[in-house]
Amino acid sequence: KAGVTQTPRYLIKTRGQQVTLSCSPISGHRSVSWYQQTPGQGLQFLFEYFSETQRNKGNFPGRFSGRQFSNSRSEMNVSTLELGDSALYLCASSLGIGGEYGYTFGSGTRLTVV
Amino acid sequence: GQQVMQIPQYQHVQEGEDFTTYCNSSTTLSNIQWYKQRPGGHPVFLIQLVKSGEVKKQKRLTFQFGEAKKNSSLHITATQTTDVGTYFCAGCSGGSNYKLTFGKGTLLTVNP
Repeated sequence: KAGVTQTPRYLIKTRGQQVTLSCSPISGHRSVSWYQQTPGQGLQFLFEYFSETQRNKGNFPGRFSGRQFSNSRSEMNVSTLELGDSALYLCASSLGIGGEYGYTFGSGTRLTVV
Repeated sequence: GQQVMQIPQYQHVQEGEDFTTYCNSSTTLSNIQWYKQRPGGHPVFLIQLVKSGEVKKQKRLTFQFGEAKKNSSLHITATQTTDVGTYFCAGCSGGSNYKLTFGKGTLLTVNP
């Protein structure tokens, strides 16, 4: 079966711009979680969506937002980009809520803010 | 909130040596998961432990869940260059607000 698909793979943006990242989960998975990964901070939880509803949210500013569509595909948006937003953004799909039976991660979107 | 500490942060071994990474939680966990991330890759699910004192093996990898369900370990016997990567544990305290908390990972490098 197809894995978790994230687009785009790489992105370069300028400070102050906004960006939208996309994630298509494994077919049948209704939970999609987003993580930010940086060398110093590891995997930081952004939010989780389940059946189009935000179920959990991490400690990120309001510039980070997301949504989930009826087909379980999810998008995350970062507005007013800052240099510190440069990171690998990972989407994780799971059968159970919150990764209960394990996450399947996508390959990630590498965002560079200049 | 729940914290999951993982040690060591880095480990460099000679090929053939054993390797262990440890994970400790500030709270009792309902279960713990382990992931491996190869350099330049994404985390890949390895295993989930649920029962107190549980031990599971996958070839050269042995996973343990502590009796108090607050700690866990991953042991690799006779490391190979293919074992290189960052190993993450992720713990969950359970309840209605089910959410995984990841440790910061242990980066394993293997000298051939």
